[in-house]
Amino acid sequence: NAGVTQTPKFRVLKTGQSMTLLCAQDMNHEYMYWYRQDPGMGLRLIHYSVGEGTTAKGEVPDGYNVSRLKKQNFLLGLESAAPSQTSVYFCASSYSSRERDEQYFGPGTRLTVT
Amino acid sequence: GENVEQHPSTLSVQEGDSAVIKCTYSDSASNYFPWYKQELGKRPQLIIDIRSNVGEKKDQRIAVTLNKTAKHFSLHITETQPEDSAVYFCAASIWEYGNKLVFGAGTILRVKS
Repeated sequence: NAGVTQTPKFRVLKTGQSMTLLCAQDMNHEYMYWYRQDPGMGLRLIHYSVGEGTTAKGEVPDGYNVSRLKKQNFLLGLESAAPSQTSVYFCASSYSSRERDEQYFGPGTRLTVT
Repeated sequence: GENVEQHPSTLSVQEGDSAVIKCTYSDSASNYFPWYKQELGKRPQLIIDIRSNVGEKKDQRIAVTLNKTAKHFSLHITETQPEDSAVYFCAASIWEYGNKLVFGAGTILRVKS
């Protein structure tokens, strides 16, 4: 099992460019999440999904879009990147059961917007 | 919405001593409280969690206590070792349709040998 994987690992964008971050999990998890982590701050939830074809906003959704067309994949899109979106992005996934809801994190994507 | 505060922001202890990190939360409806350890450049990993129907949980050298009345929970690490050095994050959530975690800002723990 690869667990949770993220593509790419690093990326540098110019202001105004767009990109998509891919998260994939092979644990058959129903729930998937995108977080961002900034220096001196904890992780903040951007968007999440409770199942294939569903998405919902988290704490800091502005400037991002997501899609979950397949259960194992969760995509995070930046349509017009801004320097404020420079961050480390983590994807996570979990089962939907209350007793088995540990969130497993991917290795992260370090994004720099210049 | 939920707000989680974590203290201290940095903590230095001597190897073998105990370390305690405290978090407070604002939403009395929160019912799930995990703790994550993150080593430099790595992903966060769950080390222990507690639910609101339990006051204390222990796993070898780590333990978590929860005071629902005061709305705070704490991580206790005993007999600290150099490999315990990392950033520790607490989080809180209201477990419902999607377990949306709200994280504290993190504590840098340094264990000096």
